[in-house]
Amino acid sequence: SSELTQDPAVSVALGQTVRITCQGDSLRTYYASWYQQKPGQAPVLVLYGQNNRPSGIPDRFSGSSSGNTASLTITGAQAEDEADYYCNSRDTSDNHWVFGGGTKLTVL
Amino acid sequence: QITLKESGPTLVKPTQTLTLTCTFSGFSLSDSGVGVGWIRQPPGKALEWLALIFWNDDKRYSLSLETRLSITKDTSKNQVVLIITNLDPVDTATYYCAHRAGHSGAFDSWGQGTTVIVSS
Repeated sequence: SSELTQDPAVSVALGQTVRITCQGDSLRTYYASWYQQKPGQAPVLVLYGQNNRPSGIPDRFSGSSSGNTASLTITGAQAEDEADYYCNSRDTSDNHWVFGGGTKLTVL
Repeated sequence: QITLKESGPTLVKPTQTLTLTCTFSGFSLSDSGVGVGWIRQPPGKALEWLALIFWNDDKRYSLSLETRLSITKDTSKNQVVLIITNLDPVDTATYYCAHRAGHSGAFDSWGQGTTVIVSS
């Protein structure tokens, strides 16, 4: 089995850059995908693979990975980026999937 | 355009069995690489992956819940069903189904979710 660990909360000033991280052994083998969830709404995929954005996701969202850590970076954070962010990947057994505990992003 | 919608009872009693249905459109669950997953979220808490079924009927379950879960698909009806047995109040959550893209492996489209309350 595997776990993905995220910081519970992160804040960023409007227009500044913020990095949200996700740590786990499985990230040495598998890429993370990232989901944005606003209150009362279903999650939305914002990043997947090495650094891929689905159609409609602004290019201020980018991703990277090193060792056991995956990162989601928002360059020039906007007020509408305030949300919970979750990482997800397969676990080390390759038979299951796991979500991180989520990071609440506040845009000041 | 891919759409998914969850349906099922809102209120169930402890020890009962829950049957949730995901009805989808915009893709076929017979296409290679495609999957449909179930994810839940207790009130105020994080997302939890529950189960995933692939186009080839391969099934995967959360380790912590696999003895209580069963996932099946009906390709002709474009539906995926999740059954959870022996419900407990801690199973109270919003349950989502999501499309797993073959090329990315990510859950790229989600249903709106359905709320399930387990209470006597």
